[in-house]
Amino acid sequence: QKEVEQNSGPLSVPEGAIASLNCTYSDRGSQSFFWYRQYSGKSPELIMSIYSNGDKEDGRFTAQLNKASQYVSLLIRDSQPSDSATYLCAVLPFSGGYQKVTFGTGTKLQVIP
Amino acid sequence: DTAVSQTPKYLVTQMGNDKSIKCEQNLGHDTMYWYKQDSKKFLKIMFSYNNKELIINETVPNRFSPKSPDKAHLNLHINSLELGDSAVYFCASSQAGLAGPYSYEQYFGPGTRLTVT
Repeated sequence: QKEVEQNSGPLSVPEGAIASLNCTYSDRGSQSFFWYRQYSGKSPELIMSIYSNGDKEDGRFTAQLNKASQYVSLLIRDSQPSDSATYLCAVLPFSGGYQKVTFGTGTKLQVIP
Repeated sequence: DTAVSQTPKYLVTQMGNDKSIKCEQNLGHDTMYWYKQDSKKFLKIMFSYNNKELIINETVPNRFSPKSPDKAHLNLHINSLELGDSAVYFCASSQAGLAGPYSYEQYFGPGTRLTVT
């Protein structure tokens, strides 16, 4: 089982719709969760971090975390063509000492004008 | 005033050559990383340094040797380049350490696209 799983997509949504990106993880003790956006040919850019169960909103972006279900999602409201990119979910496992963040393979989002 | 910078941006070289990639961050972070992103876009950690100390060393051929002269700089030297080394290499930094889970937000450099022919 992969440590962090995402549907590779592409996920196509019309402009103005809500895009819902999902991620599941295998380490039940994971404690930090991140969403990165990566445009084609560019580097990953951090857009959201979430550490507690529930929702966290930042502008048009909402991250949702459900640790019991080992599930984290990213909602993008009022999707714009400029949101078209690959979205990477990243998870920090639990334990002491220095840790490594594990990335999913990403979901490609296409927003259709 | 780029936060994380890498040089060069593109690197085209022949098999068997030795090359280096340099990274610098001006965010004041304690931890720096090297990632490899292959053609399938999977981002895999290779190494991590915290304050010049190697803390993460993944299963990577020993042809790859990182060096961190200070906490703001991290270099990657690759010996005897092979076709399979072709990828994009990203440097990243974070405040990560023993400060807890909140310090693992990572900031990436622009990447170095390595092509081995």
